[in-house]
Amino acid sequence: EDQVTQSPEALRLQEGESSSLNCSYTVSGLRGLFWYRQDPGKGPEFLFTLYSAGEEKEKERLKATLTKKESFLHITAPKPEDSATYLCAVQVGSGGGADGLTFGKGTHLIIQP
Amino acid sequence: DTEVTQTPKHLVMGMTNKKSLKCEQHMGHRAMYWYKQKAKKPPELMFVYSYEKLSINESVPSRFSPECPNSSLLNLHLHALQPEDSALYLCASSQGIDRERYEQYFGPGTRLTVT
Repeated sequence: EDQVTQSPEALRLQEGESSSLNCSYTVSGLRGLFWYRQDPGKGPEFLFTLYSAGEEKEKERLKATLTKKESFLHITAPKPEDSATYLCAVQVGSGGGADGLTFGKGTHLIIQP
Repeated sequence: DTEVTQTPKHLVMGMTNKKSLKCEQHMGHRAMYWYKQKAKKPPELMFVYSYEKLSINESVPSRFSPECPNSSLLNLHLHALQPEDSALYLCASSQGIDRERYEQYFGPGTRLTVT
């Protein structure tokens, strides 16, 4: 059974205090690993796609990395507006890319000014 | 533009009502999805449409009936729902089969309350 585990469940940081969120996965036939940001009551906002081990992607204060067993979302010098729930998701299957995503439970991140 | 729109934003319905949720995208995507998200839980896949054909049904009860009238539109018809069906219903789209990119773009969701 495909599993996606995110840690920590919740993280409170001071503004400017860098940290990392973890997403470990146990799947067969990984097609892609995705990071999303979700604000309360809204739909997930796409951040990154990682397709193969060793791949890295960056966007503003965020950097995502991928190994064969886990992915990290590094946040550098965060600001209060980075507060949100960060979701990791994997896509497997034989649907040629039109397969559903399996999500982890998310990390609830709070950045205090 | 990576916008997926959903209507209505909020819906309150009784257990005997029939209602529909609508989703639209104009990105030329050929795969569209319905997810259900309960409070403080991650989204869970319900249905996948690929090239306007239902390709995945995650054993969803028949009181939920999806429809894909064309490549830009996705509907979810609701009938005889239960209070436990109250949730945020999310629509998403992606490029489709054997395209270069697989990421899914989500709409803002419809907050459904069943009374």
